[in-house]
Order: sequence, then C-alpha cells, then structure tokens
Amino acid sequence: GQNIDQPTEMTATEGAIVQINCTYQTSGFNGLFWYQQHAGEAPTFLSYNVLDGLEEKGRFSSFLSRSKGYSYLLLKELQMKDSASYLCAVNGGYQKVTFGTGTKLQVIP
Amino acid sequence: SQTIHQWPATLVQPVGSPLSLECTVEGTSNPNLYWYRQAAGRGLQLLFYSVGIGQISSEVPQNLSASRPQDRQFILSSKKLLLSDSGFYLCAWTEETGDSGPLTGTQYFGPGTRLTVL
Repeated sequence: GQNIDQPTEMTATEGAIVQINCTYQTSGFNGLFWYQQHAGEAPTFLSYNVLDGLEEKGRFSSFLSRSKGYSYLLLKELQMKDSASYLCAVNGGYQKVTFGTGTKLQVIP
Repeated sequence: SQTIHQWPATLVQPVGSPLSLECTVEGTSNPNLYWYRQAAGRGLQLLFYSVGIGQISSEVPQNLSASRPQDRQFILSSKKLLLSDSGFYLCAWTEETGDSGPLTGTQYFGPGTRLTVL
C-alpha cells in the first residue's frame, strides 16, 4: 500500500526558517514532489527529488533519503505569503502518485 | 507555453442530479491527464487518469465516470450525484514520457472546480 505522513499544522515567524517533514512507505518509488497550495486554489509545483540529497531552489530546498523513506522541505526567510498548505507526494511509478494530506503552515509577524 | 483550463469554477447541484466537468489543455500534445478530488481537510484522491484518447483508468469505484473524446480534453461525469461527491475537483496534466513509465514528470494542475452537492 501507499502511506505518506506529514504534520498537520505548523506555525513559524516571518523571516525565520521552517522545515516540513514527510515520511513515506510506498510499494514503488520514482521520485518525490512538494507542492504548495494556498487556500481555495490549486496546488503548484515546488520541487522534485528522485536521488538522495538536497535540491535548492531560491528560498526553498528539498531533501530526500530513499533508504529512510524521508524527505523535508526547507523554507528560508519566511514571508507572510508563504502561509499555505504544503503537500508531499510520491510517484510510485506508472501514473501512481500518492499525495499526503498536507501541512498547513501559518507564518506570523 | 502550456495552460490548463477547467470549468465551471464553482457548482452547486442537488442530490441525484447529473454532473459534467470539463478540462482542456493547450500548448502540448498527447499529455497524460488526471482527475483528482480533494475533500475538505483531506488529501488529493486520484479518481481517473488517461494516457490517450478513449483510454481511461479508474482508481476508485464510485458513481463517477470519465471520458477523453479528444487529445486535450478530459471530462468528468456523473448520472446521479451523492452528498459525498462534494469537494474540490482538480484536473492535472503531465507530459507523456514513454516506455520508462509515464509518470516521471511533474503534474500541473488546473484551477479546479468547487462542487457542493445539497
């Protein structure tokens, strides 16, 4: 089966750094995605990891450890507009993408 | 550049009524297309996917159906809506990637349709 776990909610301060963790158990693995979803809107792509290590893209970085079934999304220099849900999703291969329930991040002044 | 459209944006329907949601993609050919549903406070649930015209795979048995009459058109339908069909319906596309397994590419989502069944 497919199982993805991530915290339900997190709160962080503007200007700070926050790390959102994701653990997964899937029958196949062909990469891991992070998406950002603002309330009432569609998810938008943030990052894709298929090999172990850190992928950096501006203020956002994503890390993957395949042996541990673990990923995190790191957001630096938090801004108020970063308040959103962050979805971890695993590509199990052949059209099989499983999404976590998302982590709702609230950035406070 | 590629764009994906969905309509309507919002819909309120009575229980037992039919449903038709449409999704179209521009700027790409032979995309893989997907229908997801996101219920309040829950994750994205894959409903259907299609790798080509007339090819539909269902992930969850239910009273919904999907069709792909044209390469860049994907339709979600129901003959009789249930209360449990309420949710945020999202269409997504990804580029077809061939024999290595189609879903190695990133999925791009349309703006979604918010359906309320009363």
